[in-house]
Amino acid sequence: AQTVTQSQPEMSVQEAETVTLSCTYDTSESNYYLFWYKQPPSRQMILVIRQEAYKQQNATENRFSVNFQKAAKSFSLKISDSQLGDTAMYFCAFMKGDDKIIFGKGTRLHILP
Amino acid sequence: EAGVTQSPTHLIKTRGQQATLRCSPISGHTSVYWYQQALGLGLQFLLWYDEGEERNRGNFPPRFSGRQFPNYSSELNVNALELEDSALYLCASSRQGGINSPLHFGNGTRLTVT
Repeated sequence: AQTVTQSQPEMSVQEAETVTLSCTYDTSESNYYLFWYKQPPSRQMILVIRQEAYKQQNATENRFSVNFQKAAKSFSLKISDSQLGDTAMYFCAFMKGDDKIIFGKGTRLHILP
Repeated sequence: EAGVTQSPTHLIKTRGQQATLRCSPISGHTSVYWYQQALGLGLQFLLWYDEGEERNRGNFPPRFSGRQFPNYSSELNVNALELEDSALYLCASSRQGGINSPLHFGNGTRLTVT
């Protein structure tokens, strides 16, 4: 069974700094998809970024980028120039083929003014 | 475009009662997913419905059940409520199951069992 592990329950950084959230996963599949979702205090989950495992190039969405290391089964999220609005719970997630998405337990990120 | 809507926002029940949670997907979305978000446990997959049929089910007891209606809205029913069922229940929809259809989440229903 696939598992997703986020080893940092909580993090705090100063506004404008860069922060990296860690995620590792375990699977025997060769083709799959990885996601980072954000859940602000409003509770609504929002897709931040996604990565197809067959693509070697790391996905980037504005200030958000990933470091995808397939061999190490690692999928970290880097937030550059962090903003107060980035304060949220961040979930790493895994999906194989046409199947359900499996989420990690999340990292609570605080951006400090 | 209206997002995924869930009702009620909050629900308080006593142990042993039944709870019904509702979800309306985004127009044009045929897949509905249910997740339980309990404190410290992340999101646990409950159920996935697509085109009116149950496609997949998470590791939850049978007292968690649901259905999808012809208009693609969905209900989650929890029978014989237990204290540990207290959680945020999130519904998500997509155009179809799979990678090409990102999940869009609702704001959730906070279920409290006393």
